[in-house]
Amino acid sequence: DQQVKQNSPSLSVQEGRISILNCDYTNSMFDYFLWYKKYPAEGPTFLISISSIKDKNEDGRFTVFLNKSAKHLSLHIVPSQPGDSAVYFCAASAEGGSEKLVFGKGTKLTVNP
Amino acid sequence: ETGVTQSPTHLIKTRGQQVTLRCSSQSGHNTVSWYQQALGQGPQFIFQYYREEENGRGNFPPRFSGLQFPNYSSELNVNALELDDSALYLCASSLGLAGSNEQFFGPGTRLTVL
Repeated sequence: DQQVKQNSPSLSVQEGRISILNCDYTNSMFDYFLWYKKYPAEGPTFLISISSIKDKNEDGRFTVFLNKSAKHLSLHIVPSQPGDSAVYFCAASAEGGSEKLVFGKGTKLTVNP
Repeated sequence: ETGVTQSPTHLIKTRGQQVTLRCSSQSGHNTVSWYQQALGQGPQFIFQYYREEENGRGNFPPRFSGLQFPNYSSELNVNALELDDSALYLCASSLGLAGSNEQFFGPGTRLTVL
């Protein structure tokens, strides 16, 4: 039973265009959402997060949108750069419990020059 | 500031053996979480240690056990290895237990069970 789903295993975009990565969740107890980026042979690195009290969080080229009613979040990267090519994981946690993060399976983003 | 380190980088074991993986937390962090990432999957939570005590466990059998030491470094032990235990094992450290606290991941240990 996957509580966090990333239904697109891969995404390919042109440099300079927008990348949109999607994530759906089923557990209504989740109230904190994170995106991690992972390069080969490295551990995941934190990218951006959003609390359930917000519907948008922006950090430079990265914006995360949260739609609680749809249990859906998305990560927008504008403009996309070749260095953004990596696997992106969506993760969720429930405050008040442990720091257990529940991850999706990841989306491999390729940004073509 | 030293980041999260893990050892060894790679490991090959045979079915039935036991393995110990090690993790050094980022300086100042008192919480360590361990994750298993199978091929093509996202990381899956194994357990977490906070100030040397287990504080939460995922859906893994008792043959997965751990320790956290006074310096907050940690070990993951797996007994009676099975083929399905082949995966990348990640540890992540953080400060405190709030779900919003950023977790910093190490590069992982790639375990292959033959």
